[in-house]
Amino acid sequence: GAGVSQSPSNKVTEKGKDVELRCDPISGHTALYWYRQSLGQGLEFLIYFQGNSAPDKSGLPSDRFSAERTGGSVSTLTIQRTQQEDSAVYLCASSFGGINTGELFFGEGSRLTVL
Amino acid sequence: GNSVTQMEGPVTLSEEAFLTINCTYTATGYPSLFWYVQYPGEGLQLLLKATKADDKGSNKGFEATYRKETTSFHLEKGSVQVSDSAVYFCFSYTGGFKTIFGAGTRLFVKA
Repeated sequence: GAGVSQSPSNKVTEKGKDVELRCDPISGHTALYWYRQSLGQGLEFLIYFQGNSAPDKSGLPSDRFSAERTGGSVSTLTIQRTQQEDSAVYLCASSFGGINTGELFFGEGSRLTVL
Repeated sequence: GNSVTQMEGPVTLSEEAFLTINCTYTATGYPSLFWYVQYPGEGLQLLLKATKADDKGSNKGFEATYRKETTSFHLEKGSVQVSDSAVYFCFSYTGGFKTIFGAGTRLFVKA
């Protein structure tokens, strides 16, 4: 597709379950970001991937959160043993990494609700 | 550390009113500055940008000027429309993962 694709668009889960959120960036974009947007709040940086380099995980809120990026393309954000405070919209963005000017292209997000 | 501070919302205006949403930044180095917009039910999209001091970004009638002396990047529009109702995010970028978003300002425009 032409844009950043995220799935699922909505996910409702029970407390304690694991969830996986997927991001398919724009073809050719080497930089990929995950953010969390809680209700009425700004964007909280979670993790950054640039090409095949080790990701910057400095924004992950706890060790229950992890992410991987396979083949420098699709990324999966995994939240283990979900808690109610994990409820939020998880946004993925990609950009050209080589001459990254900071222009990010966002997906529409995955809304996670933890009951 | 780097930060972005933007005015709290919500901002409620009547159609054709003048809009200003303030944004100030702190950064080591010289960031590129952006405004992103999030329309209801949609993802964020770039509205405008400026990559160096005194640059003016503009799009869809919105403008913002990169002011190094006041470390500001205020968003303005001379005449808002109902369709401008959205959340606006100021954003600072200094390379790599260093992406700093403001908290967002929700704008409501009444007909």
